[in-house]
Amino acid sequence: QLQLQESGPGLVKPSETLSLTCTVSGGSISSSSYYWGWIRQPPGKGLEWIGSIYYSGSTYYNPSLKSRVTISVDTSRNHFSLKLSSVTAADAAVYYCARPGARDYPIYYMDVWGKGTTVTVSS
Amino acid sequence: EIVLTQSPGTLSLSPGERATLSCRASQSVSSNYLAWYQQKSGQAPRLLIYGTSNRATGIPDRFSGSGSGTDFTLTISRLEPEDFAVYYCQQYGTSPLTFGPGTKVDIK
Repeated sequence: QLQLQESGPGLVKPSETLSLTCTVSGGSISSSSYYWGWIRQPPGKGLEWIGSIYYSGSTYYNPSLKSRVTISVDTSRNHFSLKLSSVTAADAAVYYCARPGARDYPIYYMDVWGKGTTVTVSS
Repeated sequence: EIVLTQSPGTLSLSPGERATLSCRASQSVSSNYLAWYQQKSGQAPRLLIYGTSNRATGIPDRFSGSGSGTDFTLTISRLEPEDFAVYYCQQYGTSPLTFGPGTKVDIK
C-alpha cells in the first residue's frame, strides 16, 4: 500500500528557507509515471496547491508561489522535496505531500495523502 | 485562476438528515473535473468524489456528486455520526489546481 510521509523542521525563522521532504513507501517514484505534489493548509484555513514534480524532474508550480518555490526529486532515495524561500508568518501551515489519482497528470485530484507536517514561522 | 465558492459556510444538521453542499466556480470547470474531499480535525483530506460524480474507492453510496459547468453539489443522503467534518471542493481542469474554502457540517 502506497504511503507518503512528510519530514522536516517544524520551526523556521522569518526570511529563511523552509525545507521539507516527502518519503514514498510501498511504491517507486521512478517507475510509477506519477506526478508528486505539495499542498499546504494555514491554521484554520483552506487548502492551497503549491506544485508538483514528475520523476524526471519536470515541475509545475502555483503562480502565486512560483518565485519562491523549488520542488526536486531524488529517485535513488525515493523521495521528493520542497523548498520555500523568504518565508513569512503567512507561510505557517500544515504541509501535505500527495499523489494524483492518475499517471502523467500534474494537475489532478489527489487520492493519496501524507499525514502532514506542521511548520511554524517564528524568530 | 478559477475561484471556487462554497455554501453554506456551516451546515448544522442531525444524524439521519440529508446534507446538500454547494460549490460554485468563477468560470466553467473544464471536463467537469471537480472533486470533493472530507477533512476531519487533525487529519489529511480524504478523497470522496472525482469527476463530479464518481465515488472514490471505499466511499459509501450515501455520498453523491452532481453538477456541471460552474455549479456543483455534494449530497450526503443520510448523515452518519462519522460524516460531521469539513468538506472541500477542488477543480483540476485548469492550472493552477484550486480548492474552495470549505463547508463545515456540524451536529445540530
